[in-house]
Amino acid sequence: EDKVVQSPLSLVVHEGDTVTLNCSYEVTNFRSLLWYKQEKKAPTFLFMLTSSGIEKKSGRLSSILDKKELSSILNITATQTGDSAIYLCAVGTGANNLFFGTGTRLTVIP
Amino acid sequence: DAGITQSPRYKITETGRQVTLMCHQTWSHSYMFWYRQDLGHGLRLIYYSAAADITDKGEVPDGYVVSRSKTENFPLTLESATRSQTSVYFCASSGGVWESGTYEQYFGPGTRLTVT
Repeated sequence: EDKVVQSPLSLVVHEGDTVTLNCSYEVTNFRSLLWYKQEKKAPTFLFMLTSSGIEKKSGRLSSILDKKELSSILNITATQTGDSAIYLCAVGTGANNLFFGTGTRLTVIP
Repeated sequence: DAGITQSPRYKITETGRQVTLMCHQTWSHSYMFWYRQDLGHGLRLIYYSAAADITDKGEVPDGYVVSRSKTENFPLTLESATRSQTSVYFCASSGGVWESGTYEQYFGPGTRLTVT
């Protein structure tokens, strides 16, 4: 059974801290790993990592895929209150399905 | 406006009633998806469609019916709503699968459905 597990479930940090969110997976026919940010509405796309692109960076956010360990991390440096959200990890398989983890709820306090 | 829209945004219905949730996208994406999001379960795939007139079951299809007569629309019908179908429903679309990965999916704003 395909499975995506995220940790921690929730996290509270102060503005300026650096955080690392984890995602591990067990799926058949891995194609890609995606990170989404969900505030009080629909998930919005952050990154996609594949065998040909295992590291991505955008501003204060960066992500790495470790295909050997079947995992990925999402780093956020110099956190801001606007980073408060649920961060979702999803793994894409050959059938164009995305299997989502339950998410990590990040709260950044001033 | 271009994008992906869902209607209604909020719906309250009674057990046993039929409910249809609408999804419309203007990108001409070939793939469309329906998810439900519940506490403790994250997003779970109900049905997806690779093109007009092609649909397939996801992880939790029971109690739901979909159709896709036009590329831009992908309605989801609850034939006889149950309390366990109270959830937030998200529609998504994507350009499909490519050799090295899966195209990202873009999500609609969601429909919050309550079954009483």
